Amino acid sequence: SQQGEEDPQALSIQEGENATMNCSYKTSINNLQWYRQNSGRGLVHLILIRSNEREKHSGRLRVTLDTSKKSSSLLITASRAADTASYFCATDNDYKLSFGAGTTVTVRA
Amino acid sequence: EAGVAQSPRYKIIEKRQSVAFWCNPISGHATLYWYQQILGQGPKLLIQFQNNGVVDDSQLPKDRFSAERLKGVDSTLKIQPAKLEDSAVYLCASSPTSGPPYEQYFGPGTRLTVT
Repeated sequence: SQQGEEDPQALSIQEGENATMNCSYKTSINNLQWYRQNSGRGLVHLILIRSNEREKHSGRLRVTLDTSKKSSSLLITASRAADTASYFCATDNDYKLSFGAGTTVTVRA
Repeated sequence: EAGVAQSPRYKIIEKRQSVAFWCNPISGHATLYWYQQILGQGPKLLIQFQNNGVVDDSQLPKDRFSAERLKGVDSTLKIQPAKLEDSAVYLCASSPTSGPPYEQYFGPGTRLTVT
């Protein structure tokens, strides 16, 4: 079963703008991960945030985690055409990953 | 380092036929996963191996799906007989260990179309 739910389902932005997507989940987690999938490179791990962390940065990515609200957000700053992809949150619960349905991001030139 | 290898990349079969997918994980990775990704959805875990033992196969439809990981390295996933609803991308992933925190490394997938 898929625990995470991403919002919005789709997002279209101009190059250079920021993109924010959210993930909500139902049960307690060990950590939460974000993955990107595009046709060229398949599914790629972006960032992992542990349940005792609140915020994490990696390059142009910023992830937050609020375990009290069972939610996470992924912010991509200064978007580029290469950021066009589907983004999935994956919750680590009971030592296995459960993926959401993803947010499809389109970056317009 | 070489990534996770999968073959074939594409497969078209008729319903009730059988099909097999192959995966070679990153060298040294003890844990191997098979996922099914239906169009418009996220990947769903089918089976998880730790070395050559099964850790979790709770979501594997065992009446038609089978998987093995001989010698704790490469793995095959088989569907017999296939149904229309098996049309999906089958992803293989590996990780160095099964304990958190960890990230999984995915292969390019095999796109299966059942007609």
